[in-house]
Amino acid sequence: EAGVVQSPRYKIIEKKQPVAFWCNPISGHNTLYWYLQNLGQGPELLIRYENEEAVDDSQLPKDRFSAERLKGVDSTLKIQPAELGDSAVYLCASSLDPAPGLAGEGTGELFFGEGSRLTVL
Amino acid sequence: AQTVTQSQPEMSVQEAETVTLSCTYDTSESDYYLFWYKQPPSRQMILVIRQEAYKQQNATENRFSVNFQKAAKSFSLKISDSQLGDAAMYFCAYSGGSTLGRLYFGRGTQLTVWP
Repeated sequence: EAGVVQSPRYKIIEKKQPVAFWCNPISGHNTLYWYLQNLGQGPELLIRYENEEAVDDSQLPKDRFSAERLKGVDSTLKIQPAELGDSAVYLCASSLDPAPGLAGEGTGELFFGEGSRLTVL
Repeated sequence: AQTVTQSQPEMSVQEAETVTLSCTYDTSESDYYLFWYKQPPSRQMILVIRQEAYKQQNATENRFSVNFQKAAKSFSLKISDSQLGDAAMYFCAYSGGSTLGRLYFGRGTQLTVWP
């Protein structure tokens, strides 16, 4: 079974340019997450989708970041315009159950992609 | 907001020995879940072990076990018979309460395994 697929793995852009990251979750996983991981730190949630609905986007900087999950499968995260401080790894994750304990014996396990490393010059 | 603290930025262990990674968390919820994730240099995060707060028994997965102290809000990971492949960044994570389904991560502990 294929895991979570992200692209591109690496992206170098100049500040003020736009950039987009794509994520294909594990087949059948209804929940999709975008996390931001700065160097030397743990991931921080940007947005969480239940199917095509964004149910938690409180940490998404909406002035420059946008995300979509059309048809409840693939997702795209966009930054426009990019700033120097956006340099980081953007992780996508998916899960089968919305949360552990819900919908029966949820495991709460998130399956992560390899991430997209963004460098803004 | 929930916080997860890993006070050991780096740890090292000799191959075949045992090492314990520490994690504390802050929550006012009674029902929650705790996780340890491993992130090798390839960056792909992999679940190592999970613990449900309502279970008193500590979780165990082969060489990996946890010491869950609910009253102290402590959740340490013990790796027995350490192997070279265990070298990675380890993240402690929390999910619970009104934000169930959302993981809060600590800053991570970089584990080095010496041959």
